[in-house]
Amino acid sequence: GDSVTQMEGPVTLSEEAFLTINCTYTATGYPSLFWYVQYPGEGLQLLLKATKADDKGSNKGFEATYRKETTSFHLEKGSVQVSDSAVYFCALILIAGGTSYGKLTFGQGTILTVHP
Amino acid sequence: NAGVTQTPKFQVLKTGQSMTLQCAQDMNHNSMYWYRQDPGMGLRLIYYSASEGTTDKGEVPNGYNVSRLNKREFSLRLESAAPSQTSVYFCASSALRELFFGEGSRLTVL
Repeated sequence: GDSVTQMEGPVTLSEEAFLTINCTYTATGYPSLFWYVQYPGEGLQLLLKATKADDKGSNKGFEATYRKETTSFHLEKGSVQVSDSAVYFCALILIAGGTSYGKLTFGQGTILTVHP
Repeated sequence: NAGVTQTPKFQVLKTGQSMTLQCAQDMNHNSMYWYRQDPGMGLRLIYYSASEGTTDKGEVPNGYNVSRLNKREFSLRLESAAPSQTSVYFCASSALRELFFGEGSRLTVL
């Protein structure tokens, strides 16, 4: 079945450090890929997405490129801030048979803590 | 904008009790979902409703039932709560490939 694997956490960084959170996937078709972020005590918010190979999603300084050849969608940010401390989830969705709905498959989440 | 609203936000139950989690969305989305979030396991799909009048099982449906009351509302019921159902529950609705989540309901079963 479809699955998403994220790098083990937690990740602890100093402010202004470079961030990479690895994500690889297994899917039977051509999924769309997402990164969601969950701040403490809140629900999940879409951070960025990519719908086809070589697309780059970006938002709030975060980027991720859809790499079909390596089935990866790694999240990067050049300079993290304390306010980026959160749990990050990689996810994929396959649209079933041309219908307009799909079910997200999530990775296990990576806790990021950024210290001043 | 309210988006996706879940109630209650917190609930403590004793084993064997029943309860219903309510979810409503105001974005006119056809599809709605219930997920549970457990440490180290990400989010797992319990049930989903592709459109009003339909519901289907997800990855972990045992011990739960759902009702798609109308296009706006999708409830999750625990008929006889068990400690293994202690979790954070998220409702979501979707437009094409993007899901919008509620803030979550933290349920503890003693």
